[in-house]
Amino acid sequence: IAGITQAPTSQILAAGRRMTLRCTQDMRHNAMYWYRQDLGLGLRLIHYSNTAGTTGKGEVPDGYSVSRANTDDFPLTLASAVPSQTSVYFCASSDESGTSGGNTIDTQYFGPGTRLTVL
Amino acid sequence: GQNIDQPTEMTATEGAIVQINCTYQTSGFNGLFWYQQHAGEAPTFLSYNVLDGLEEKGRFSSFLSRSKGYSYLLLKELQMKDSASYLCAVFDSNYQLIWGAGTKLIIKP
Repeated sequence: IAGITQAPTSQILAAGRRMTLRCTQDMRHNAMYWYRQDLGLGLRLIHYSNTAGTTGKGEVPDGYSVSRANTDDFPLTLASAVPSQTSVYFCASSDESGTSGGNTIDTQYFGPGTRLTVL
Repeated sequence: GQNIDQPTEMTATEGAIVQINCTYQTSGFNGLFWYQQHAGEAPTFLSYNVLDGLEEKGRFSSFLSRSKGYSYLLLKELQMKDSASYLCAVFDSNYQLIWGAGTKLIIKP
């Protein structure tokens, strides 16, 4: 594994079904993120984790849950999928979740994405 | 609310120069990023500005004016492979990235 991987690459899902999107990184980054990207909108943060064992809510957390049992894995679960969750989902990681202005703020590196269609 | 504005689409000619603008209104500012995203692929990091001025990296340069809430990405000697979307993102006071919708750049021969 090199960088960040996501699975599946794409998925068609019936509404009401449960689905887990997988994300694994091998860079030993502390922080990880889940975004969704919809046409005409910017990337929107769903959930994040600053370090293993902790998670936080982003801009659009409703209908999604995450866990961070270890440094490498950050799965995203849709408990009961709805058509409005049709989107492209990107996982990202970075070394730290921000430092003070003027100092290096670690870059977010993205996985290849999962294209999810909920019918 | 927080807002980042970029043009939706721009067209330029191979070999030319293009400037993509980004204006932002966010709760706090801890740096601005530019990412490139080819169709169907993940965003990839291009540049980061936290202080006013110009940062140059080969054919790409990024400028920031914090007092004006303004940045631009300058691409020189355009190549066909530069056809992509360019995303502007700002770290707000909570160190969360706020993203613009992206500018789709079309390069014509």
